[in-house]
Amino acid sequence: DAGVIQSPRHEVTEMGQEVTLRCKPISGHDYLFWYRQTMMRGLELLIYFNNNVPIDDSGMPEDRFSAKMPNASFSTLKIQPSEPRDSAVYFCASSLRQGGHYGYTFGSGTRLTVV
Amino acid sequence: DQQVKQNSPSLSVQEGRISILNCDYTNSMFDYFLWYKKYPAEGPTFLISISSIKDKNEDGRFTVFLNKSAKHLSLHIVPSQPGDSAVYFCAAIGGGSYIPTFGRGTSLIVHP
Repeated sequence: DAGVIQSPRHEVTEMGQEVTLRCKPISGHDYLFWYRQTMMRGLELLIYFNNNVPIDDSGMPEDRFSAKMPNASFSTLKIQPSEPRDSAVYFCASSLRQGGHYGYTFGSGTRLTVV
Repeated sequence: DQQVKQNSPSLSVQEGRISILNCDYTNSMFDYFLWYKKYPAEGPTFLISISSIKDKNEDGRFTVFLNKSAKHLSLHIVPSQPGDSAVYFCAAIGGGSYIPTFGRGTSLIVHP
């Protein structure tokens, strides 16, 4: 398996533009997580899905953020409009079972820079 | 409010010596703890874990110690190698949730 695949690896965009981050989880994993990493807050959970259904989105910072999982092999995180404070590394992770005890598999992340 | 705290943003150690990374938590309901390791431009990878019924778990050069009364855990790396240079995240699970809460991470640099 190729692991969790995220695209793009890097994204530079201007303030106010829409940004879409993409994730392909490991086949067979039924949980998918979106995290954001910043120096100030470390790894923050934004939202997670179970069997394509959003379970907890309480970590989504504002209404400008939205996430979807239209099928078991694809998820998107969208920011519209983007702001400079959204600059961070965004990770997608997947797991079999609710899985914290078994460890997650993370993707390589998308480094977002909003100028 | 950080429930999992890694108060040292960085640590520098000489190759061959011991590296000790510390983590404190505030939620007494946490009962399972994990360490993840992250290299630049890669995602975090699971390293080692410990259940609250234990006070020590060892895997090769890596040992995690848990002090429940102090709400403190530590990761020991002996001997440290330059390839251990990475960011280490502490995470905790419990209180009715199976989703880990992560700390901010500690950047370890092992000098040759």
